[in-house]
Amino acid sequence: QVQLVQSGAEVKKPGASVKVSCKTSGYTFETFGISWVRQAPGQGLEWMGWISAYNGDTTYAQNFQGRVIMTTDTSTSTAYMELRSLTSDDTAVYYCARDEWNWYGDYWGQGTLVTVSS
Amino acid sequence: DIVMTQSPDSLPVSLGERATINCKSSQNILYSSNNKNYLAWFQQRPGQPPKLLISWASTRESGVPDRFSGSGSGTDFTLTISSLQAEDVAVYYCQQYYSTPYTFGQGTKLEIK
Repeated sequence: QVQLVQSGAEVKKPGASVKVSCKTSGYTFETFGISWVRQAPGQGLEWMGWISAYNGDTTYAQNFQGRVIMTTDTSTSTAYMELRSLTSDDTAVYYCARDEWNWYGDYWGQGTLVTVSS
Repeated sequence: DIVMTQSPDSLPVSLGERATINCKSSQNILYSSNNKNYLAWFQQRPGQPPKLLISWASTRESGVPDRFSGSGSGTDFTLTISSLQAEDVAVYYCQQYYSTPYTFGQGTKLEIK
């Protein structure tokens, strides 16, 4: 069965970076992409971007351009999302989702809470 | 950016009754060349990640109960739960994937009356 398992919760100081991993199984990693979506506490969903696991092509939301880097490691079927220059506004649960064509996530990871606090 | 607006924000419904959630996009999200609406619906239970229910405005995902249905076209869409069950208590989101940045509605909290 398709599974996406994310790395554990992180606490970071303002200005730092965080890298969240998303290990996948149950499907051929290279034939799908991965989307990243975040959710601030008690808030709605915000799309951050998408990466193709086939060729590494990325599409980032303008709000995160220059601050986010999405990568994949086909040898371990794992996707990564690194977010730099963190502020308290980046405190959120970060989700990865399998997304074949950069449309919508059909299987989601359990989420990773990133807390930014001094 | 395309703004997605859901109504209502909160919806109390009795068990066994129909629940209707609306989603309106600020721009047309029907792609004329393939006649597809680029809209998905998600269910998010407390403490859980979103779960995909419906894609292309009306295509139910495998394993989703048939009491869930999606309809609409262009800018106005609806998610209907024909007979509310206790396990349907959740927040429901619509999402457009017509153009980036993909955007979600603010969510509708469905609860038991």
